Amino acid sequence: AQKITQTQPGMFVQEKEAVTLDCTYDTSDPSYGLFWYKQPSSGEMIFLIYQGSYDQQNATEGRYSLNFQKARKSANLVISASQLGDSAMYFCAMMRGSNYKLTFGKGTLLTVNP
Amino acid sequence: DGGITQSPKYLFRKEGQNVTLSCEQNLNHDAMYWYRQDPGQGLRLIYYSQIVNDFQKGDIAEGYSVSREKKESFPLTVTSAQKNPTAFYLCASKGQGNTGELFFGEGSRLTVL
Repeated sequence: AQKITQTQPGMFVQEKEAVTLDCTYDTSDPSYGLFWYKQPSSGEMIFLIYQGSYDQQNATEGRYSLNFQKARKSANLVISASQLGDSAMYFCAMMRGSNYKLTFGKGTLLTVNP
Repeated sequence: DGGITQSPKYLFRKEGQNVTLSCEQNLNHDAMYWYRQDPGQGLRLIYYSQIVNDFQKGDIAEGYSVSREKKESFPLTVTSAQKNPTAFYLCASKGQGNTGELFFGEGSRLTVL
């Protein structure tokens, strides 16, 4: 069974600093995709970034980058130059092979301090 | 605009009653999902459907039922057999392949009185 682990229930960061949110995963399938989503207090889920298991380079989207270490089965999200609006829950998720099932971790609550 | 519409946004029900949550998408996506989120928790998969007239149980399907008669629609029924139905329910859809994002609706908050 596939599993996503986010070990940080909460994280604090100062505005304008960078922060790394941890995510490890467990799958024996060679083909999989990794996702990060942001959920503000309003409840909507906002897609941030995607990394495929066969992608050679780490994914980047603006201030978001994914530190993909395949051998360690980790897919950490790095947010550079944190902003107050980055305060939210962040979820890591995985989709395995041709199975459309998407499994989420329990999330990390990020608080950006001014 | 294309997107996913969930209704109602807030719903109250008495114990022992079934309730159906609506999810409609106009993104022409094949796959649709229902997730449950409890306070301070992650999303847990209830059911998902890859194509019309086909769906699979997720991790917590007991006490729930779904149908997929049309590509655009994936309603979720919370039955009286669900022992702790108070939660935030999120519907999502996705295009073909294992890449690309899920598009989420705004969610439905169900409270059992």
